[in-house]
Amino acid sequence: GAGVSQSPSNKVTEKGKDVELRCDPISGHTALYWYRQRLGQGLEFLIYFQGNSAPDKSGLPSDRFSAERTGESVSTLTIQRTQQEDSAVYLCASSSERKGGTGELFFGEGSRLTVL
Amino acid sequence: AQSVAQPEDQVNVAEGNPLTVKCTYSVSGNPYLFWYVQYPNRGLQFLLKYITGDNLVKGSYGFEAEFNKSQTSFHLKKPSALVSDSALYFCAVRALPRNTDKLIFGTGTRLQVFP
Repeated sequence: GAGVSQSPSNKVTEKGKDVELRCDPISGHTALYWYRQRLGQGLEFLIYFQGNSAPDKSGLPSDRFSAERTGESVSTLTIQRTQQEDSAVYLCASSSERKGGTGELFFGEGSRLTVL
Repeated sequence: AQSVAQPEDQVNVAEGNPLTVKCTYSVSGNPYLFWYVQYPNRGLQFLLKYITGDNLVKGSYGFEAEFNKSQTSFHLKKPSALVSDSALYFCAVRALPRNTDKLIFGTGTRLQVFP
């Protein structure tokens, strides 16, 4: 597709369940980012991929959060044993720039997660 | 540590009036600065960026931003606001290219343009 695609767009789950969020970046984009946006708040960095390696995982809030990426393609963000404080919109972005670049990020429309 | 501050949670302006959304930053070295806009129920859209060169940067939808190194600011401006400009605006700075290229975002400023 032409843009960054995220699925599901909405997910409601019960506390304690695991969830998987998917991101399809723009074709050819080497860099991929996950951010979290809680209601009424700014963007919180989670993890950054360059290709299929993750040089910066510093934003993952706990070991319940993990992410992987296949080559320079799809990425999945997994949240295990979800908690109510995990409720947020999870945004994925991709960029064509390699390390040290000046290019902008292209964002998907996000996956809204609600944990009951 | 690198950071971005948007001191105003909300800015209200009448349609046709000029608007300014403030942003200040703290980085080591030369900053790469960005503005993004988020319309309701949509993802973030890139507006403009400053990398080097002219301090006044022009972007999408008639927006511009002025880089001021001495004041470490990158305020977003538009000469004449439209109701359709009402949205959430984020300033961002790119972290130094050590092991990461992440953008660090401010907390956002909600712009409300009244008819």
